[in-house]
Amino acid sequence: DADVTQTPRNRITKTGKRIMLECSQTKGHDRMYWYRQDPGLGLRLIYYSFDVKDINKGEISDGYSVSRQAQAKFSLSLESAIPNQTALYFCATSDFSDTQYFGPGTRLTVL
Amino acid sequence: AQSVTQPDIHITVSEGASLELRCNYSYGATPYLFWYVQSPGQGLQLLLKYFSGDTLVQGIKGFEAEFKRSQSSFNLRKPSVHWSDAAEYFCAVGAPGEYGNKLVFGAGTILRVKS
Repeated sequence: DADVTQTPRNRITKTGKRIMLECSQTKGHDRMYWYRQDPGLGLRLIYYSFDVKDINKGEISDGYSVSRQAQAKFSLSLESAIPNQTALYFCATSDFSDTQYFGPGTRLTVL
Repeated sequence: AQSVTQPDIHITVSEGASLELRCNYSYGATPYLFWYVQSPGQGLQLLLKYFSGDTLVQGIKGFEAEFKRSQSSFNLRKPSVHWSDAAEYFCAVGAPGEYGNKLVFGAGTILRVKS
């Protein structure tokens, strides 16, 4: 079984809809991250969390929110989706080694 | 804050030929450096990492990278490319000791392998 899982893997939604992307991990790591990937831009950090009481904004947090429900679960929400949030979204985890391990990604399309 | 540049958007090499993917970083001290690979439709897989010590780092799938402080570079190499190496490669830089151990990624280099 994969150590970092993301659901859904693909999602098409309409402008203005609320959507939640979920991430679960079995690695036992405290640190979790959400990134978005756009062609030619690499990955950019949206939010990160060190534990359930620690949530931090990343480089591009506007229009997004997160919830750390447990050590193993970190969800990303788009309260009112817009077309320029169409992207590939990745969840990652890390331990104190500073090495990050990535999930398979969620491809989100906002029409 | 750290930054990273991958100068080549696309690279095409013949199967069996050698490969070098370039990565240049900007950071005030010795950074943490990573190379990840993303196959089509897949997540990112860690190829190798540099934290300290020996500047030549060996990774999985026959890849290696060399940290050159004087050139602020961390280029990825492979002596003989296989068709299965076709993918997108990302260099990333981390800032040791800074809160969040955040990574900054380059824009990626797409590797095409021709037979």
